[in-house]
Amino acid sequence: DAKTTQPPSMDCAEGRAANLPCNHSTISGNEYVYWYRQIHSQGPQYIIHGLKNNETNEMASLIITEDRKSSTLILPHATLRDTAVYYCIVRSNAGNNRKLIWGLGTSLAVNP
Amino acid sequence: NAGVTQTPKFQVLKTGQSMTLQCAQDMNHEYMSWYRQDPGMGLRLIHYSVGAGITDQGEVPNGYNVSRSTTEDFPLRLLSAAPSQTSVYFCASRPTGATNTGELFFGEGSRLTVL
Repeated sequence: DAKTTQPPSMDCAEGRAANLPCNHSTISGNEYVYWYRQIHSQGPQYIIHGLKNNETNEMASLIITEDRKSSTLILPHATLRDTAVYYCIVRSNAGNNRKLIWGLGTSLAVNP
Repeated sequence: NAGVTQTPKFQVLKTGQSMTLQCAQDMNHEYMSWYRQDPGMGLRLIHYSVGAGITDQGEVPNGYNVSRSTTEDFPLRLLSAAPSQTSVYFCASRPTGATNTGELFFGEGSRLTVL
């Protein structure tokens, strides 16, 4: 599975959009981009994933560049409860041994 | 649904002691896995299982044993604890086959300290 690069930390004002970038320049054609977040000391929580097209759900939007070498997770109206570490991961859905490579993520601080 | 349940939440061991971290899920997920999380490092896969009776090693399996006798349970055993095994342990599960979106469901973690 390809590795990802994320900024170690970001700040965002409450109520504003939080845009979290991720670089995955070595991504393969069959690899998906996944985003998880981990609120202090809790287990990671799935947010969203995508292959090529932009995706949106009730939590966030995922924008993937046309060349698929980078993506951005958008939290449209960040709240204090969105303060967490956000992980961008790429993985292949081929086969059953679908292991994820977890980096250190981006620590997002949402400020009042 | 309770989701993924881990016990205990906290445990202190002495070097050389043995213990088992329990993980149970009620979502009928075939795939289950154990991760450890250490400061300054990402989550690292210890062992995983794709169904009852089937287990395989992950990235950091040494010092840990697993078994999968039922779909619901996936215990992680430390046979002789070492200070290097001080960590936070997470169990995660997901379905396989047609219902699999790749989303992993995590437990709340078990914090282990080995003195």
